[in-house]
Amino acid sequence: GAVVSQHPSWVICKSGTSVKIECRSLDFQATTMFWYRQFPKQSLMLMATSNEGSKATYEQGVEKDKFLINHASLTLSTLTVTSAHPEDSSFYICSARDPGGTAGNEQFFGPGTRLTVL
Amino acid sequence: GNSVTQMEGPVTLSEEAFLTINCTYTATGYPSLFWYVQYPGEGLQLLLKATKADDKGSNKGFEATYRKETTSFHLEKGSVQVSDSAVYFCALSSDTGTASKLTFGTGTRLQVTL
Repeated sequence: GAVVSQHPSWVICKSGTSVKIECRSLDFQATTMFWYRQFPKQSLMLMATSNEGSKATYEQGVEKDKFLINHASLTLSTLTVTSAHPEDSSFYICSARDPGGTAGNEQFFGPGTRLTVL
Repeated sequence: GNSVTQMEGPVTLSEEAFLTINCTYTATGYPSLFWYVQYPGEGLQLLLKATKADDKGSNKGFEATYRKETTSFHLEKGSVQVSDSAVYFCALSSDTGTASKLTFGTGTRLQVTL
């Protein structure tokens, strides 16, 4: 099946610094990637939808200037948490769609990135 | 808006026990329904899905039936194994366009013991 990777798997940073998380589709081209945030014992909350070559579409309540998303190629999307603060600590998960594959609109998920801001 | 409610865990069962994880939803129109599974250290994987009322999704011994009258999509398995220990997420998608956005429940952790 389609494989999606994320890097890093975990990161610890100081308050005020920026952190970049990468999401890669390893064996397929993903025209659309999604970024989710998951708090402990809560569901995955969609943050934004990223389309290759265009600006991301952010969900209501998500600060686009704080969570910068770039989808410059069909296999890579990045999420940059700018000026991170402790309340940004969370588990960030990406997914990718392979519209050209047999799975159609199915989303394939990465393993997630644990961000801890001190 | 759309929402998914699933039973809180953790659910602890002995091997070969019967499993039910309840899931109910609120959505406009006719959503597609999904169960995802997340094994430790791995990403979410699609376990099964159903796209219209009365459809039954099944995979790896798990099954769930799309019940529009009760807005439910309960996950069942007749005999669980230790290897089924994971977190299970119920989700729906009501987008008919290319976005296909998913709305997730909170997840239910299943622990199967010998």
